[in-house]
Amino acid sequence: EPEVTQTPSHQVTQMGQEVILRCVPISNHLYFYWYRQILGQKVEFLVSFYNNEISEKSEIFDDQFSVERPDGSNFTLKIRSTKLEDSAMYFCASKGGAADTQYFGPGTRLTVL
Amino acid sequence: GQSLEQPSEVTAVEGAIVQINCTYQTSGFYGLSWYQQHDGGAPTFLSYNALDGLEETGRFSSFLSRSDSYGYLLLQELQMKDSASYFCAVKDSWGKLQFGAGTQVVVTP
Repeated sequence: EPEVTQTPSHQVTQMGQEVILRCVPISNHLYFYWYRQILGQKVEFLVSFYNNEISEKSEIFDDQFSVERPDGSNFTLKIRSTKLEDSAMYFCASKGGAADTQYFGPGTRLTVL
Repeated sequence: GQSLEQPSEVTAVEGAIVQINCTYQTSGFYGLSWYQQHDGGAPTFLSYNALDGLEETGRFSSFLSRSDSYGYLLLQELQMKDSASYFCAVKDSWGKLQFGAGTQVVVTP
């Protein structure tokens, strides 16, 4: 069964450093999302991406964040200058059509020291 | 504002039935989804309601009343492996999911 994959599973970085989180969505999916979950809290929407552009973003997704689909398979989230409060689990999700279910990847645990 | 309310924790014994309620106040409502999450794991899709009524998928059922801004997830014949967090999530007209805070279900022998 096809699944969303994410790398790395765990990333540790120093405050102020740039990180890139990678996702490979399910191959024929067209809609892509990033969510984050701070430990013990709910899953929060960050950004949605369709047709090679951002379709919606939340207040969390400020100028320090960016997304890219550099090729036909990868979908990346970049944080330019990490802060302590960026420590969280970051989930990528994808879906095939507008009305379809979103499927989540296993997540990347980001720890900012 | 936008909010989803669900109980923080429910405890039940194996074989029992558990109902997790979710009330929501959001803009651009398109449907209500339910996801299961085991500790440290990815949210896993369980069920989705776009229209009023009951959707049944094996031991899990989900119900929606759009007029009451209310839904629930019903877990039947509880098993130990059902111990997890369960999230309701509103799908808005843009397609994104807005999650509730989650309900921790604890299944005891």
